[in-house]
Amino acid sequence: DGGITQSPKYLFRKEGQNVTLSCEQNLNHDAMYWYRQDPGQGLRLIYYSQIVNDFQKGDIAEGYSVSREKKESFPLTVTSAQKNPTAFYLCASSIRGTGDQETQYFGPGTRLLVL
Amino acid sequence: GNSVTQMEGPVTLSEEAFLTINCTYTATGYPSLFWYVQYPGEGLQLLLKATKADDKGSNKGFEATYRKETTSFHLEKGSVQVSDSAVYFCALGAGNNRKLIWGLGTSLAVNP
Repeated sequence: DGGITQSPKYLFRKEGQNVTLSCEQNLNHDAMYWYRQDPGQGLRLIYYSQIVNDFQKGDIAEGYSVSREKKESFPLTVTSAQKNPTAFYLCASSIRGTGDQETQYFGPGTRLLVL
Repeated sequence: GNSVTQMEGPVTLSEEAFLTINCTYTATGYPSLFWYVQYPGEGLQLLLKATKADDKGSNKGFEATYRKETTSFHLEKGSVQVSDSAVYFCALGAGNNRKLIWGLGTSLAVNP
């Protein structure tokens, strides 16, 4: 059963703490994306990766970091430098090199809350 | 630059009413256009898409036609159900890296 999994569903962060959100896909997709969703603001792109060992900043990368060591995995770390991390975080993936490369498929999301 | 504008919500309808959610875009070249749906507390699901002018995307009773002359991709459904209550996002794919540009979303509530 192919798809994108995100864990945990809910995550609590204390002040000054780094936390890592997991995203795994078994769709054999090349590209992966992280978005942040705040109420009334739609989706904002944090980072994206089109191939393994390569990634690019999106529109709101400050305070976040990523890695892409495996095709299947694209973890997002919310660092202590991100002063307002409370949001719903969505991971997505897409295939490259075909006419369908823009279609993104989403995971169920992780809700991050600050204690 | 590329952009997407959706009608503001919330939209509230009675069951079996006709739905239209407007989406217009600005883009260079020939973008692809998408509608995604997000049910409460969940991730986004692709609802339909169109990749060239005059294409009609359809799924689950929803339809949208890619209108290049009016730069629009309005979402329609002839008879909505309570289960259609969700947030709907219009998106555009364009540019060399083909990232998606997102509208702000339109919340739909359908009452029985």
